[in-house]
Amino acid sequence: AQSVTQPDARVTVSEGASLQLRCKYSYSATPYLFWYVQYPRQGLQLLLKYYSGDPVVQGVNSFEAEFSKSNSSFHLQKASVHWSDSAVYFCALSPSNMGYKLTFGTGTSLLVDP
Amino acid sequence: EAAVTQSPRNKVAVTGGKVTLSCNQTNNHNNMYWYRQDTGHGLRLIHYSYGAGSTEKGDIPDGYKASRPSQENFSLILELATPSQTSVYFCASGDAGGARAEQFFGPGTRLTVL
Repeated sequence: AQSVTQPDARVTVSEGASLQLRCKYSYSATPYLFWYVQYPRQGLQLLLKYYSGDPVVQGVNSFEAEFSKSNSSFHLQKASVHWSDSAVYFCALSPSNMGYKLTFGTGTSLLVDP
Repeated sequence: EAAVTQSPRNKVAVTGGKVTLSCNQTNNHNNMYWYRQDTGHGLRLIHYSYGAGSTEKGDIPDGYKASRPSQENFSLILELATPSQTSVYFCASGDAGGARAEQFFGPGTRLTVL
């Protein structure tokens, strides 16, 4: 069975600062990995995804994430955050054996101080 | 633009009553999913479907039934609602698994069972 851990329930940063949200996974092979964002009172929207190849993937709104097989991690990063980035961020995993289900982490609530 | 819609957006039900949550997608995706979101748990999969007429149990199916009468529609049914089912429910659709496991989410239904 697979699992996703987001160790930080809440993160607060100042506007303009850099950001890293952590995601660790447990899976026997190389999974497919996703970051979703949830703005207040809305559904989840895909930020970026990793399938294979370059371990650094670019997403929407200048977000990027780096896959590390050795560390079983897929951390989300942004060089300079804006107050509008305040939201809840979810890391998710899909098994590489064509599994149809996503396994989600518990989410990290990001607050950007203006 | 392809979309996933849910109705109702908010629902107050009484304990022991029957609740039906509806989901419609215009993505022409084969797969549809029902999740519930609770603080500290992230999103947990209740039921999913591979196509019209099929329903499968997810990770927490107890107390819930699902119905997929058509490609576009997927319902979640609480025959005897309990206060523990108070939550936010999300519907999602997806095209395939593995490297195409991206899911598209509706805006959510906030259910309160009194």
